[in-house]
Amino acid sequence: KAGVTQTPRYLIKTRGQQVTLSCSPISGHRSVSWYQQTPGQGLQFLFEYFSETQRNKGNFPGRFSGRQFSNSRSEMNVSTLELGDSALYLCASSLTGEGTQYFGPGTRLTVL
Amino acid sequence: QKEVEQNSGPLSVPEGAIASLNCTYSDRGSQSFFWYRQYSGKSPELIMFIYSNGDKEDGRFTAQLNKASQYVSLLIRDSQPSDSATYLCAVNRDNQGGKLIFGQGTELSVKP
Repeated sequence: KAGVTQTPRYLIKTRGQQVTLSCSPISGHRSVSWYQQTPGQGLQFLFEYFSETQRNKGNFPGRFSGRQFSNSRSEMNVSTLELGDSALYLCASSLTGEGTQYFGPGTRLTVL
Repeated sequence: QKEVEQNSGPLSVPEGAIASLNCTYSDRGSQSFFWYRQYSGKSPELIMFIYSNGDKEDGRFTAQLNKASQYVSLLIRDSQPSDSATYLCAVNRDNQGGKLIFGQGTELSVKP
């Protein structure tokens, strides 16, 4: 089975721009969770989507949003980028959310 | 107090020794516990999960869970230089679906 895929792998943006990241889960997995990883804050939960509905949300501003499509693929969007948004963005998929999560390779976002 | 706490390390052990990694959590509603390994520049890779009190063994790895004391640990027997990585402890609360709370990670260095 193919693993979790994320595109693009690297992004460079400037402050004020917006960005969209994509995640394709393992086939059959219906839950997709998004995380932000920075050296200072570690891995922090952004949100989780299950069956096209946001089921859980972390403590991030409204500039961070996401959605999930009927084929379970998910996108996250960050609007009005700030320097502090520079991070590794990881998505993870699981069958139902409650079980084990498998991570994709991540998207490295740099905001200049 | 952080929800999930780990010693940041670095923890240095000689090749062939047992590495012991510890993690404490604050929410007694936590139900599922995971250990991930993350090599520098890579995404987290699942090593083990544990749901019940006691020990769970998988090859050279043993996860230990004590819900009364709110700690979970990972033992790595016969440590190899290839085990050198950051080990992340993650906790999932009951009824919170695909939301994992991560510790800051413990950096392990295995010296040949």
